Amino acid sequence: DIQMTQSPSSLSASVGDRISITCQASQDINSLLNWYQQKPGKTPKLLIYDASHLESGVPSRFAGSGSGTVFTLTIAGLQPEDFATYYCEQHDIRISFGGGTKVEI
Amino acid sequence: EVKLAQSGGEVKKPGESLRISCKGSGYNFANSWINWVRQMPGKGLEWMGRIDPRSSDAHYSPAFQGHVTVSADRSINTAYLQWSSLEASDTGIYYCATLPRIWGQGTLVTVSS
Repeated sequence: DIQMTQSPSSLSASVGDRISITCQASQDINSLLNWYQQKPGKTPKLLIYDASHLESGVPSRFAGSGSGTVFTLTIAGLQPEDFATYYCEQHDIRISFGGGTKVEI
Repeated sequence: EVKLAQSGGEVKKPGESLRISCKGSGYNFANSWINWVRQMPGKGLEWMGRIDPRSSDAHYSPAFQGHVTVSADRSINTAYLQWSSLEASDTGIYYCATLPRIWGQGTLVTVSS
């Protein structure tokens, strides 16, 4: 099974900050990586698919990058509605999620 | 509207059996794998397994293999997740999803004596 290590597990930030979240796969996953946002009591929402493609309707302040085993989600200019938990998910071999990153004020 | 509608919350005792459901609508149900994802209280997302409604081919995460069974009835556009013997540690929210875009609303399962 492919293990996904996400870091940090939590971070404190302010409105307007630029933040980055990293996901490392235990083996090459061919850019088959998605990023989700989840708010309390809600279902996860797709932000980025296949490492770097912005999902329709998602603000352009969200960006994904990386390939092989290391991937990054960057949010440029945090907005109040961005305080949430973020997960990476690989779908190269079966599926597995990272442990999540809680972005707090 | 493309949708996955899940069955309602359940309260069960340890050792009991349970089957929860996930009904697809607004798209060709047979064309997309249905995945099941667990979220324990206050914890992250865990992929449990998936089923191809067309062939009934199923894959499981090693963490869940042998403890749950996924199935599907293509004739009624419904997928199922079932347990034969629940444990208290099965308490959580269970989502079905085609991944990455279509998610059910989640089913809360509470297992307590």
